[in-house]
Amino acid sequence: QKEVEQNSGPLSVPEGAIASLNCTYSDRGSQSFFWYRQYSGKSPELIMSIYSNGDKEDGRFTAQLNKASQYVSLLIRDSQPSDSATYLCAVIKENRDDKIIFGKGTRLHILP
Amino acid sequence: DAGVIQSPRHEVTEMGQEVTLRCKPISGHDYLFWYRQTMMRGLELLIYFNNNVPIDDSGMPEDRFSAKMPNASFSTLKIQPSEPRDSAVYFCASSSTLSWAEAFFGQGTRLTVV
Repeated sequence: QKEVEQNSGPLSVPEGAIASLNCTYSDRGSQSFFWYRQYSGKSPELIMSIYSNGDKEDGRFTAQLNKASQYVSLLIRDSQPSDSATYLCAVIKENRDDKIIFGKGTRLHILP
Repeated sequence: DAGVIQSPRHEVTEMGQEVTLRCKPISGHDYLFWYRQTMMRGLELLIYFNNNVPIDDSGMPEDRFSAKMPNASFSTLKIQPSEPRDSAVYFCASSSTLSWAEAFFGQGTRLTVV
């Protein structure tokens, strides 16, 4: 079983709609969860982090975590063409020395 | 600050040749990370340094890969001999703390081994 799984996409969403990106992880001891955005040909950039169950909102972005289901999601409201990118989910276990594990990413395409 | 600087941006080499990728971290950052990104395996941590000392190299795929950090402002990732399956984008990142998610990434080196 892969440690962090994401649907590769592409996920096509009309401009102005809500984009929903999903990620599941295998290690129940995971404690820290992150979403990165990566534009084509560019490096990843951190956009959201979440550590406890529930929702965390930052502008148009909302991260949702459900540790019981081992599931983390990212919602993008009022999607813009500039949101078109690959979104990487990343997970860290409990120990600070544990390494960050990335999913392969979901390609998101916002349709103008 | 110019950010994390990697060179070259693109490298094309023949199988069997030695390849050296270079990285200059952000000044003052004590942690430096090397990542590799491929379609098949996604983004993977290869090795990281703290104060120029390698801490965890368990992600280095095999002995053909080696990394050094001779001083606080420079690191290299060397592949010798290179193979086509090493083709990937290699990212360097640096951070002031061991906070994986707060590391700043360089723009990457796209390596193609033919």
